[in-house]
Amino acid sequence: AQSVTQLGSHVSVSEGALVLLRCNYSSSVPPYLFWYVQYPNQGLQLLLKYTSAATLVKGINGFEAEFKKSETSFHLTKPSAHMSDAAEYFCAVRRNTGGFKTIFGAGTRLFVKA
Amino acid sequence: GAGVSQSPSNKVTEKGKDVELRCDPISGHTALYWYRQSLGQGLEFLIYFQGNSAPDKSGLPSDRFSAERTGGSVSTLTIQRTQQEDSAVYLCASSLEGQGSDTQYFGPGTRLTVL
Repeated sequence: AQSVTQLGSHVSVSEGALVLLRCNYSSSVPPYLFWYVQYPNQGLQLLLKYTSAATLVKGINGFEAEFKKSETSFHLTKPSAHMSDAAEYFCAVRRNTGGFKTIFGAGTRLFVKA
Repeated sequence: GAGVSQSPSNKVTEKGKDVELRCDPISGHTALYWYRQSLGQGLEFLIYFQGNSAPDKSGLPSDRFSAERTGGSVSTLTIQRTQQEDSAVYLCASSLEGQGSDTQYFGPGTRLTVL
């Protein structure tokens, strides 16, 4: 069985500050991991994904995430927050073998203060 | 090119009525997914179609929920005898091949309100 836990339903940072959104996963087989973003009044779109190649994955808009197997984590970071980063972020896990049901976390809403 | 489209964008219905939600995936995408997003919660997997394979229905919450995909393209999610707890945004996504690493492309969703 797979599961995803996102720590913190709400995160608030100042513009220019580091963004850190936490995601821990549980998977009985090697996983694929994803971060999706949902901007206000828009659909979900992919930020980045881990597919067992490089453990440090770079995505759009300056975001990156590092797969740490020992910690079962896939935290999302961005060095300097911008007002336009305010959105809801979802971490997701999927098996890499047999059956591709995707499990999403509950989401973390990021607020960026001027 | 066109993205995933869903209709209607909003649906208000009375408790006990049946509703049908439609999803048009991106042309050429063989995999199609339905999710439910309730207020303040994440996405809940409902069902997954991949090509001609039997769908993965493991996420459907009750037998009032069903979905079909005709001709490997358009999909319809049907909720029978709707209940107030069915109120949510229903999201559809499609991906190219249904591989584990595929990016899923999401539609704008259908907001269902059951009175």
